[in-house]
Amino acid sequence: DQQVKQNSPSLSVQEGRISILNCDYTNSMFDYFLWYKKYPAEGPTFLISISSIKDKNEDGRFTVFLNKSAKHLSLHIVPSQPGDSAVYFCAAYWKSSGDKLTFGTGTRLAVRP
Amino acid sequence: DSGVTQTPKHLITATGQRVTLRCSPRSGDLSVYWYQQSLDQGLQFLIQYYNGEERAKGNILERFSAQQFPDLHSELNLSSLELGDSALYFCASSPSAGTYNEQFFGPGTRLTVL
Repeated sequence: DQQVKQNSPSLSVQEGRISILNCDYTNSMFDYFLWYKKYPAEGPTFLISISSIKDKNEDGRFTVFLNKSAKHLSLHIVPSQPGDSAVYFCAAYWKSSGDKLTFGTGTRLAVRP
Repeated sequence: DSGVTQTPKHLITATGQRVTLRCSPRSGDLSVYWYQQSLDQGLQFLIQYYNGEERAKGNILERFSAQQFPDLHSELNLSSLELGDSALYFCASSPSAGTYNEQFFGPGTRLTVL
């Protein structure tokens, strides 16, 4: 049962434009949502997170939006840069689930110069 | 460089064999997490140790086991290996026990079972 879904396996965006990565979830009990970025041959690195009691969190060029009614999470990158080209994973946390992170399958972002 | 080290980088072995993956967390981090990433799959949480004790368990097979030693390094043991165990195995660490806190990932060990 895939509780966290990233339905777009890949996304290509022009440098300077906005990148929007989407994530859907099925479990309304999730308390926290996180985004991780992964470059080839490296482990994932934490990008940004949001609590379920908020609907937006911003950190520089990165903004995460949470729509609880739609069970939808999105990561906006503005402006996109070639160095943002990576695989992006969304993850969700639910304390009652035994304190573990559930990851989506990832979206590969390519930013074209 | 996250500060988390994993050895070996690559491992090729045969079905039925047993292997041990090793992880050294960042200095001062008490939590160690193990994840499995199979082809085209997300990261699957396997297990978490905090200060030497098992804290959380995910979809870890009975053929797999882990431990965290007094110096806080961790080992993941995979036995009776099957072709389907071929995957990237990541270790991550964090200072505290809360899984929702930022985790620092190592570069991974790529296991190939032939």
